[in-house]
Amino acid sequence: SQKIEQNSEALNIQEGKTATLTCNYTNYSPAYLQWYRQDPGRGPVFLLLIRENEKEKRKERLKVTFDTTLKQSLFHITASQPADSATYLCGLTSGGGADGLTFGKGTHLIIQP
Amino acid sequence: ETGVTQTPRHLVMGMTNKKSLKCEQHLGHNAMYWYKQSAKKPLELMFVYNFKEQTENNSVPSRFSPECPNSSHLFLHLHTLQPEDSALYLCASSQGEREGGADTQYFGPGTRLTVL
Repeated sequence: SQKIEQNSEALNIQEGKTATLTCNYTNYSPAYLQWYRQDPGRGPVFLLLIRENEKEKRKERLKVTFDTTLKQSLFHITASQPADSATYLCGLTSGGGADGLTFGKGTHLIIQP
Repeated sequence: ETGVTQTPRHLVMGMTNKKSLKCEQHLGHNAMYWYKQSAKKPLELMFVYNFKEQTENNSVPSRFSPECPNSSHLFLHLHTLQPEDSALYLCASSQGEREGGADTQYFGPGTRLTVL
């Protein structure tokens, strides 16, 4: 069966440092991996998508890498700020257009001033 | 605002009640989704509609009944629920392609459901 693991339930990072979140998966091929941010009481908000044939994607202070050999994605926030504190969700789909996502449990990131 | 609205935002119901959750998207998308989010568990996909046709039912109990009258509206009809069905129910929409690709999803704020 398909399985997604986000290694840390919670992660505390000092402001200004780089936060790195991990997402591991099994039994997906091809794979499209998406990262979402969720704030308390709100729905998830899309951040970045990376395809199986892509190694890295960037958007402002965000960077996502994808290693299909290790079946792992890393999500980096550089120069972290307290406003980056939220739960970050990793979601996977095998593609096919309107394909619902399978999500990990999420990592609760806390950026301390 | 993501362009996806859900009503009501909060709902308390008894196990014998019948209620409905409503979702509306203003993005011109063709696909709509229901997800369930329980404490300490991952977001769980429940149903997928693409161009008004149900394309996925993720082994959801029959006490949950979806309805998609058009590409902009999605309902989740609830009846004889159990206390363990208490959760945040999230609606999402995406562009919806008939072939290939990977859609990004736009989520509504969710309906917080409590079953007594």
